[in-house]
Amino acid sequence: EAGVTQFPSHSVIEKGQTVTLRCDPISGHDNLYWYRRVMGKEIKFLLHFVKESKQDESGMPNNRFLAERTGGTYSTLKVQPAELEDSGVYFCASSRLYYEQYFGPGTRLTVT
Amino acid sequence: DAKTTQPPSMDCAEGRAANLPCNHSTISGNEYVYWYRQIHSQGPQYIIHGLKNNETNEMASLIITEDRKSSTLILPHATLRDTAVYYCIVRVDSNYQLIWGAGTKLIIKP
Repeated sequence: EAGVTQFPSHSVIEKGQTVTLRCDPISGHDNLYWYRRVMGKEIKFLLHFVKESKQDESGMPNNRFLAERTGGTYSTLKVQPAELEDSGVYFCASSRLYYEQYFGPGTRLTVT
Repeated sequence: DAKTTQPPSMDCAEGRAANLPCNHSTISGNEYVYWYRQIHSQGPQYIIHGLKNNETNEMASLIITEDRKSSTLILPHATLRDTAVYYCIVRVDSNYQLIWGAGTKLIIKP
């Protein structure tokens, strides 16, 4: 069984540009989550999808962040326009039920 | 904020049991204790979870005190590959999000 995959693994963009991160969950996992760790801080929850619906987006920092999950399969997280403080590692996770979440390797985003 | 307290770092000799403590004195009756770890530059990895009974799987054992105010994760025969940051997380099933603390940096020494 393939694990959670994320693309790209690294992204370096300039302030004001747009970046789109992609997450492919484990097949059959209806629940998909986004988390991030900014430099020196703890991992923080961003949002949770159940299939294509946003179940909880309480952790989204502001309206520069837009997450979608069309068709209930892969998800994208767009940052537009990117700011310096958006730099960090963005993790995606998926789960079948509400027990263990399986994490991807993360996307390291650097905004210069 | 995280509802758990863990020591910032611990050492353990290779081949010995690593015992990682976690305090969760405000845990509620319907909250589970989860353990994850993050090996350097990788995504977090689920280890084990429990409600009130002790649990064991192929990776580790979880010992929860009778009053549920603390728990211990046990890696029975630590290897160098177990060097990682270990996170103890308390979570209500109705709330899917994981709230992360600083964790314990476990260093396995040869």
